[in-house]
Amino acid sequence: QITLKESGPTLVKPTQTLTLTCTFSGFSLSTSGVGVGWIRQPPGKALEWLALVYWDDDKRYSPSLKSSLTITKDTSKNQVVLTMTNMDPVDTATYYCARLITMVRGVRFKFLDYWGQGTLVTVSS
Amino acid sequence: EIVLTQSPGTLSLSPGERATLSCRASQSFSSSYLAWYQQKPGQAPRLLIYGASSRATGIPDRFSGSGSGTDFTLTISRLEPEDFAVYYCQQYGDSPYTFGQGTKLEIK
Repeated sequence: QITLKESGPTLVKPTQTLTLTCTFSGFSLSTSGVGVGWIRQPPGKALEWLALVYWDDDKRYSPSLKSSLTITKDTSKNQVVLTMTNMDPVDTATYYCARLITMVRGVRFKFLDYWGQGTLVTVSS
Repeated sequence: EIVLTQSPGTLSLSPGERATLSCRASQSFSSSYLAWYQQKPGQAPRLLIYGASSRATGIPDRFSGSGSGTDFTLTISRLEPEDFAVYYCQQYGDSPYTFGQGTKLEIK
């Protein structure tokens, strides 16, 4: 059974740094073709892709947020951590982590097949 | 950056009807890298379609995807009450791996 769960503070102050942890089970991030990504969704708005780390430690970031984001993985703990610096009220959102798959039966694809339940982070003084 | 534009923004239909949702990309990419998700209020998104046309595990066959290049379509053949939700497309053709703005499918 594959599960992912986000954890971290529910409230941060403007200019603070947010650290979110995605703890997963049922798969390994050392397996070729696997990744874990972060996506956020402001209240009532659309999904926004933030960052992704692949099994080989290749990383991708949203260009608009790249200067403030860092994604790291700890394969031994089955965790992926996202840090976001200089938080602003516009960063108030539900933050999701999800598993990325890049191959199915030898054919290349990319998609997020399992998602965490999400965690709401509010940025306010 | 590949921009995905979904249309319509809101689609009002009745159960039993057919729904056709569009996702148009600002530049062409491989259909292997187009996915569709369904999101209901208060829930995380759920994968419906990957590779533009492959149904994810457990997804009913009333859901189908098609398209290539810059134009992709999600079709729901006969709407069930549980299908009324918001639908997003996402591309992995090039980083950043952008989402469309969503189509809300509501009961008429």
